[in-house]
Amino acid sequence: QSVLTQPPSVSGAPGQRVTISCTGSSSNIGAHYAVNWYQQLPRTAPKVLIYGNTNRPSGVPDRFSGSKSGTSASLAITGLQAEDEADYYCQSYDDSLSGYVFGTGTKVTVL
Amino acid sequence: QVQLQQWGAGLLKPSETLSLTCGVYGGSFSEGYYWTWIRQPPGKGLEWIGEINHSGSTDYNPSLKSRVTISIDTSKNQFSLKLRSVTAADTAVFYCARVNCSGGFCYFDYWGQGTLVTVSS
Repeated sequence: QSVLTQPPSVSGAPGQRVTISCTGSSSNIGAHYAVNWYQQLPRTAPKVLIYGNTNRPSGVPDRFSGSKSGTSASLAITGLQAEDEADYYCQSYDDSLSGYVFGTGTKVTVL
Repeated sequence: QVQLQQWGAGLLKPSETLSLTCGVYGGSFSEGYYWTWIRQPPGKGLEWIGEINHSGSTDYNPSLKSRVTISIDTSKNQFSLKLRSVTAADTAVFYCARVNCSGGFCYFDYWGQGTLVTVSS
């Protein structure tokens, strides 16, 4: 029941920059709700990478950055590293559903 | 450092009730936070189930609302999930998490380790 759409996969060589898009609608991202991003390494619980559109929790490298515009948001990873290979999810709140919603998820592969 | 530790039955038969509990250690369990459950079917994405605050106020995903109950025991720093009448479609890894709404926006900042619940006859 994902209402936020992400590309299924993105890939890049070590050191490159990759971006992951998250497309919503006027009832979630476009309704001025913040977008958060989570990284999920294999067989582990998700971990928050970006909160409130652009904020990094303590300990998250500044290679990760978030942005939001209109009904979409993006996560950028610069200086891609092997350890960044994981699944990434965006998350927001939806007025129509009156609850939190996640993106479809994007698998990042480091070539 | 806040830690969430969850437990509960991992194998259920269709029509049974799923029951999981999440203990919160090393942090405040009082006002200011909501506590939530999220699930992830094998190989699929994340789905928000519902949340509860310290006073017992709840919100549920409309798609699950008729079968879900989330409760809280502040004396034990625990909150629990019950999902009734499970089917194979409910097979998933279930996570508990803390909802942090400081700064005017809400996000899930601490997560439990996850519990795989399999529904099979």
